[in-house]
Amino acid sequence: KAGVTQTPRYLIKTRGQQVTLSCSPISGHRSVSWYQQTPGQGLQFLFEYFSETQRNKGNFPGRFSGRQFSNSRSEMNVSTLELGDSALYLCASSPVRRYEQYFGPGTRLTVT
Amino acid sequence: EDKVVQSPLSLVVHEGDTVTLNCSYEVTNFRSLLWYKQEKKAPTFLFMLTSSGIEKKSGRLSSILDKKELFSILNITATQTGDSAIYLCAHYGGSQGNLIFGKGTKLSVKP
Repeated sequence: KAGVTQTPRYLIKTRGQQVTLSCSPISGHRSVSWYQQTPGQGLQFLFEYFSETQRNKGNFPGRFSGRQFSNSRSEMNVSTLELGDSALYLCASSPVRRYEQYFGPGTRLTVT
Repeated sequence: EDKVVQSPLSLVVHEGDTVTLNCSYEVTNFRSLLWYKQEKKAPTFLFMLTSSGIEKKSGRLSSILDKKELFSILNITATQTGDSAIYLCAHYGGSQGNLIFGKGTKLSVKP
């Protein structure tokens, strides 16, 4: 099976802009979670989608949003970018009724 | 607030050494404890532990969970340079039902 894929792999944006990141889960996985990884804070949970519905949400401002499509692909959007949003954004998918999550390669976002 | 604490934060060993990485947790609604290895980008799944005292093994790696004392350890025997990575411990559960990660242990294995 192909692994989790994320696009784009690298992105450079300017403060105030918005960005959309994409994630395709492993075939058959219906749950998709998003994480932000920074050197200072480590891996932090953003949100989880299951069957096109947001099931859980972390402690991030409303500028961070996401959605999931009927084919389980997911997108996350960050509006009004700030310098502190520079991070590696990781997407993970998991099988139904299983706890382990499988991560994609991530999107490295740099905000200047 | 749920939290996962890993120690040490970094570790340097020589090939052939045995290492033990520690993970302690304070969580509500425990469901499972997971270990990941992160080399360059994506964390790769190693183990999931749900029952206390049961050891999970994969080659030179093994892990055990103590639910009473709220900790887990990851052992790596006969370390190789390819084991150099950040090892992440995560708890699945909590109030949000998601993975809560520790800050990781950076392991460097010297030839």
